[in-house]
Amino acid sequence: KAGVTQTPRYLIKTRGQQVTLSCSPISGHRSVSWYQQTPGQGLQFLFEYFSETQRNKGNFPGRFSGRQFSNSRSEMNVSTLELGDSALYLCASRSEGQGNSPLHFGNGTRLTVT
Amino acid sequence: GENVEQHPSTLSVQEGDSAVIKCTYSDSASNYFPWYKQELGKRPQLIIDIRSNVGEKKDQRIAVTLNKTAKHFSLHITETQPEDSAVYFCAARGAGGTSYGKLTFGQGTILTVHP
Repeated sequence: KAGVTQTPRYLIKTRGQQVTLSCSPISGHRSVSWYQQTPGQGLQFLFEYFSETQRNKGNFPGRFSGRQFSNSRSEMNVSTLELGDSALYLCASRSEGQGNSPLHFGNGTRLTVT
Repeated sequence: GENVEQHPSTLSVQEGDSAVIKCTYSDSASNYFPWYKQELGKRPQLIIDIRSNVGEKKDQRIAVTLNKTAKHFSLHITETQPEDSAVYFCAARGAGGTSYGKLTFGQGTILTVHP
């Protein structure tokens, strides 16, 4: 089975711009989560989607949004980029809507805001 | 919400020694506790996990213990090897309310195994 696929791998944007990141989960996985990883803050939960619905949300401003499509693929959007948004954005999928199935991470998108 | 504290932040051991990383969590309703290993420039990968109805789980050189009363869990690596060098993250998943399904991570431990 192919793993979680994230595109693009690297992205450089300017302050004020917006960006869209894409994630394709493992085939059959319906839950997709997004995390922000920075050296200072570690892995911070952004949101989780299941069956095209946002089921849970972390403590990030409204500039961070996401969505999930009927094929379980997910996108994350960040508007009005700030320098502090520079980070590795990780997508993870899991097989069950409920219960304790493990998260499988993608390789991430490295976003640099200048 | 859930808060996960992880110690130590860095750990240096000699090859063949054991390594122990400890985590505490705040939400008594949390019921799932995975550990991830992240090598430099790579994605976090699950190495072992434990559910709240189990006190200990082993997988070859790796073991995890859970103390629900004290709300802490630990990762034990025996006979460490240089390829064990990486950043290790503990995490806890909430079981109810706004925490449901959300995985909260510790700050990570940089493990260095010296040959």
